[in-house]
Amino acid sequence: AQSVAQPEDQVNVAEGNPLTVKCTYSVSGNPYLFWYVQYPNRGLQFLLKYITGDNLVKGSYGFEAEFNKSQTSFHLKKPSALVSDSALYFCAVLSGGYNKLIFGAGTRLAVHP
Amino acid sequence: DVKVTQSSRYLVKRTGEKVFLECVQDMDHENMFWYRQDPGLGLRLIYFSYDVKMKEKGDIPEGYSVSREKKERFSLILESASTNQTSMYLCASSSRLNYGYTFGSGTRLTVV
Repeated sequence: AQSVAQPEDQVNVAEGNPLTVKCTYSVSGNPYLFWYVQYPNRGLQFLLKYITGDNLVKGSYGFEAEFNKSQTSFHLKKPSALVSDSALYFCAVLSGGYNKLIFGAGTRLAVHP
Repeated sequence: DVKVTQSSRYLVKRTGEKVFLECVQDMDHENMFWYRQDPGLGLRLIYFSYDVKMKEKGDIPEGYSVSREKKERFSLILESASTNQTSMYLCASSSRLNYGYTFGSGTRLTVV
């Protein structure tokens, strides 16, 4: 079965420092991978996706993610964190037909001034 | 601005009540989904629909049913609400041609 794991419940980073939010996946076949962000009391917003092509994917709000097939990882990164990046981040993988997504447990990112 | 609209942001219901959560999308998307979100568990798929009147069980369908009579509307029904169904419920839609989801703002349901 397809699955994703987010090994960190929370990530703390100082404003201006680079950030990484980790995600590993387990799939049969080629993975279709996604990152979403959730701000307080809001639904999830799409950040970026990897379907095929370049291993470095650029997305919204300055975020990017690196697909690493040998390590089965899809870590989310940003070169310089902002306080406004503080939110809950979800990694997801496409599973089966009908565009069904399987989500990780989420990682709370806290960026401190 | 395209959107997915969930009819209620907050709901409080009593144990045993029948509860309807409504979701409407204006993007002519074929696929619609209901997830529940619980701390530490992420989002878990309850049901999804890939066409009008078509539905499939997700990972946790017990205690829930769904209805999709029109393409734009996907309803989640709690037949007899229980306290363990207290959660945040998120609706999403997607096109068959694009893998991205558009989410609603969520309904926080409390069953007392």
